[in-house]
Amino acid sequence: SQQGEEDPQALSIQEGENATMNCSYKTSINNLQWYRQNSGRGLVHLILIRSNEREKHSGRLRVTLDTSKKSSSLLITASRAADTASYFCATPISGGSYIPTFGRGTSLIVHP
Amino acid sequence: NAGVTQTPKFQVLKTGQSMTLQCAQDMNHEYMSWYRQDPGMGLRLIHYSVGAGITDQGEVPNGYNVSRSTTEDFPLRLLSAAPSQTSVYFCASSWGNRGNGYTFGSGTRLTVV
Repeated sequence: SQQGEEDPQALSIQEGENATMNCSYKTSINNLQWYRQNSGRGLVHLILIRSNEREKHSGRLRVTLDTSKKSSSLLITASRAADTASYFCATPISGGSYIPTFGRGTSLIVHP
Repeated sequence: NAGVTQTPKFQVLKTGQSMTLQCAQDMNHEYMSWYRQDPGMGLRLIHYSVGAGITDQGEVPNGYNVSRSTTEDFPLRLLSAAPSQTSVYFCASSWGNRGNGYTFGSGTRLTVV
């Protein structure tokens, strides 16, 4: 498997600021996904980006994918206290698969 | 739609006991997977299925069995519970390569004593 590794492990910001989380992976993939997990709950899918896409948006979320650097980033703009959660990137169990494997996540705290 | 339903929500087992964690989805999803989540470890893939009758091992399959006799159900069996299997277990399903991510259940918190 080739779990992505998120960086930083923890991030603490003030409401209104932007939050950026990064994910690096090791081998070629056809897609990368981002998920959010509120404490003690199941994961919620945020965005899936395919290898032929460089950038994708969903509301205040912006995901980029750089296949040459084997990295992705998740940007949350104008953060709110409700964005406090853990964020995970997910890479396929094998390059062409859509079965995700997960990294250890970034814990984001947004202070009101 | 109920989405992905996991039962039970909590379970305490004694070492050596066996049990089945249930997972059902009503979205006609082809793909289903089981994950375990331990503190500081993220989620680890146990077993997965890309359709009825098809299952495969994930990253940490030892001590677990699965079957997929219907599209809707994907039970996870613990053969002989060990304290190392104390964890939160999540079941998830998706359309696979059609571009939507996984829908997760709310989890089963299992303690093995």
